[in-house]
Amino acid sequence: AQKVTQAQTEISVVEKEDVTLDCVYETRDTTYYLFWYKQPPSGELVFLIRRNSFDEQNEISGRYSWNFQKSTSSFNFTITASQVVDSAVYFCALSPTGNQFYFGTGTSLTVIP
Amino acid sequence: DAGVIQSPRHEVTEMGQEVTLRCKPISGHNSLFWYRQTMMRGLELLIYFNNNVPIDDSGMPEDRFSAKMPNASFSTLKIQPSEPRDSAVYFCASRSRTGVNSPLHFGNGTRLTVT
Repeated sequence: AQKVTQAQTEISVVEKEDVTLDCVYETRDTTYYLFWYKQPPSGELVFLIRRNSFDEQNEISGRYSWNFQKSTSSFNFTITASQVVDSAVYFCALSPTGNQFYFGTGTSLTVIP
Repeated sequence: DAGVIQSPRHEVTEMGQEVTLRCKPISGHNSLFWYRQTMMRGLELLIYFNNNVPIDDSGMPEDRFSAKMPNASFSTLKIQPSEPRDSAVYFCASRSRTGVNSPLHFGNGTRLTVT
């Protein structure tokens, strides 16, 4: 079975706090890709990052960082020094080889000024 | 680069009417996806095409829904007749097959309201 779980439905933080969004996935495939998307209040879905199952190196892009751990089937997303513009719904997705994407239910992040 | 273009952005219609949503994928992308997003069910895959051919339409809710991709640069999703429970945001997405598991690129969505 292929499944993505984002247990945190809603998170609120005060501006400049760090926040981690959790993503846990299930798959029997040995080759797969993981993605994060951002959906701001304007509604579009914006691609943030892709990782493949053979690359467990953490990645940092500005205030964003991603922690991929195969041992715990997790692909967590941390925003450092959060800003109001980070307020959005964030989706984690799994894509085994092939064309299917499996999305989590999303985590709604509110950054309070 | 133009992204995925969807039209209309908003559609309000009465129950029983036919609704047609349109999508232009990114040039050169050869996979196209239709998703529906609601508060209750989140993002649901309705159908996807590879090289204009429907591959998996198991997510299409019922016969009232149909999708076509007559060429590489255009796709439609039609609902006939529409019902209030079809109210949702419908997203079209495309991806390139040249890169292994390349990301989906989404359009801005069509917000459909059926009264």
